[in-house]
Amino acid sequence: DAGITQSPRYKITETGRQVTLMCHQTWSHSYMFWYRQDLGHGLRLIYYSAAADITDKGEVPDGYVVSRSKTENFPLTLESATRSQTSVYFCASSARGNQPQHFGDGTRLSIL
Amino acid sequence: AQSVTQPDIHITVSEGASLELRCNYSYGATPYLFWYVQSPGQGLQLLLKYFSGDTLVQGIKGFEAEFKRSQSSFNLRKPSVHWSDAAEYFCAVGEESNTGKLIFGQGTTLQVKP
Repeated sequence: DAGITQSPRYKITETGRQVTLMCHQTWSHSYMFWYRQDLGHGLRLIYYSAAADITDKGEVPDGYVVSRSKTENFPLTLESATRSQTSVYFCASSARGNQPQHFGDGTRLSIL
Repeated sequence: AQSVTQPDIHITVSEGASLELRCNYSYGATPYLFWYVQSPGQGLQLLLKYFSGDTLVQGIKGFEAEFKRSQSSFNLRKPSVHWSDAAEYFCAVGEESNTGKLIFGQGTTLQVKP
């Protein structure tokens, strides 16, 4: 089925390790986004991308790296995980600016 | 800076009662407005959107929202709440500079009493 999928759904890792969260969409949407959701902070934008090979920082980019070599994929990498990065991460996509964003089901990441 | 305010963090209503969730935004021109719902363990699902035209917008699951420019509001309503409506609700506005980004409110958690 068409849609946006995130993997893994759950991940436990240790501080200092590198971890990559995957996001794949089948709509050929131009825009893709990564958010983190924490209690008391709502949704915070980490990075976004307007097209392949174009990425830009959001509100909380420190400690994260993204790439977008293909339109359909937008992986998020934590280069050296810290406990403060324990969170639920959501990927979203939209066809163009000011269009609705469509969200994946999230990745629950725990860093011990 | 643009902002979205959802004044109510938690709301509790009885099943069958009507519901109104408030949303206020700051925006210079005609905004692009959205309501999303998030059930536990799930991603955000689009309920409805407003771009222009009729200020009363119908969405999925029996929800509607009314855009009021004079009050900078986009309140979400449902005439009769079902237990399955218990969730968190987010209001969002498209960023004025058309970057594709959305500005989200902090969310309102809806609890439904039997």
